[in-house]
Amino acid sequence: AQSVTQLGSHVSVSEGALVLLRCNYSSSVPPYLFWYVQYPNQGLQLLLKYTSAATLVKGINGFEAEFKKSETSFHLTKPSAHMSDAAEYFCAVSPASGNTPLVFGKGTRLSVIA
Amino acid sequence: DTGVSQDPRHKITKRGQNVTFRCDPISEHNRLYWYRQTLGQGPEFLTYFQNEAQLEKSRLLSDRFSAERPKGSFSTLEIQRTEQGDSAMYLCASSLLAGAGTDTQYFGPGTRLTVL
Repeated sequence: AQSVTQLGSHVSVSEGALVLLRCNYSSSVPPYLFWYVQYPNQGLQLLLKYTSAATLVKGINGFEAEFKKSETSFHLTKPSAHMSDAAEYFCAVSPASGNTPLVFGKGTRLSVIA
Repeated sequence: DTGVSQDPRHKITKRGQNVTFRCDPISEHNRLYWYRQTLGQGPEFLTYFQNEAQLEKSRLLSDRFSAERPKGSFSTLEIQRTEQGDSAMYLCASSLLAGAGTDTQYFGPGTRLTVL
């Protein structure tokens, strides 16, 4: 069964600092991977997705993620944090065929300190 | 493209009552998913439809839960005899299946259920 582990339930960074949110997946074959963001009392918004076309994926709001098969990781980064980035971030996986329900990690809450 | 909408946004009910939630997907999307999210957790899959056909149900979906998508457009999720453990955010997502690996799910704002 597919699973996703997000290391760190809460990450705090200063405004302007690097954001790094960690995600590791377990899968027998390289899957499709997603990062979603959730603001308070809202649904999930897609940040970016990996579908095997390129290992470095650029998303919205300056975020990007790199797929590393050898490390089974798909960490999310942003060079410079803004106050508006404070939210809950979820990593999710679906099998290599895609087109199936997503399996989510437990999420990482990002706080940005002025 | 108006996005995925859900109604109501909030529902407070007493234990034992029945509740029904509605989801309107993005208009051309043929897949519709229901997830449940409890506090401090990621969303968990409940069930999904392709057009009007229900393709899969999670073990989380007890007999008290039923979902329909009668005309392949909007969907309803009903919970009968609600229990306090049903308190959660219920999220709906839709996608357009156009080939292998093309499914990107877009989420609605969710319905927050509180069972007293």
